[in-house]
Amino acid sequence: GAVVSQHPSWVICKSGTSVKIECRSLDFQATTMFWYRQFPKKSLMLMATSNEGSKATYEQGVEKDKFLINHASLTLSTLTVTSAHPEDSSFYICSALDLVSGADNEQFFGPGTRLTVL
Amino acid sequence: QKEVEQNSGPLSVPEGAIASLNCTYSDRGSQSFFWYRQYSGKSPELIMSIYSNGDKEDGRFTAQLNKASQYVSLLIRDSQPSDSATYLCFNDMRFGAGTRLTVKP
Repeated sequence: GAVVSQHPSWVICKSGTSVKIECRSLDFQATTMFWYRQFPKKSLMLMATSNEGSKATYEQGVEKDKFLINHASLTLSTLTVTSAHPEDSSFYICSALDLVSGADNEQFFGPGTRLTVL
Repeated sequence: QKEVEQNSGPLSVPEGAIASLNCTYSDRGSQSFFWYRQYSGKSPELIMSIYSNGDKEDGRFTAQLNKASQYVSLLIRDSQPSDSATYLCFNDMRFGAGTRLTVKP
């Protein structure tokens, strides 16, 4: 099946710094990837839809200048949390659509990145 | 706004029992529905997908879809302690709140 990786799996940073999270589709090309955020004991919330070669589409309430998304190739999307603050500490998960071999609208999820901002 | 509603539970069942999880959705035009299982600190893993009205069975899992009533459910037969996890309904890029299931030995 389709495999999605994320790097790093966890990161600790100081408040005010920026953190980049990578999401890669390892064995398929993904024109569309998604970024989710999950706070403790809460469900996953869609942050944005990442489209290869174009601007990301952000969900209401998500600051696009704070959460920079770049989808420069068919296998890589990056999420940069700029000027991170403790309230940005969360579990960030990406997913991708495999339009060739995946079922209709089935998303393949990465293992997630746990961000802790001190 | 599209919504996916789940009873967040928690739901507790004895080992060997049937666990029933329910989900309703707001987008009447939706065509695809998924159930994911998530263990604490891990990413969601796909359990079942369903696209047509009726039942779909896969081992101990059965997904049921009723488009007229806009609900989808997941039944877990012969529940095992290893089934203890949070189950997430997924539709149109939206997750439900998740139902925490505990299967007691």
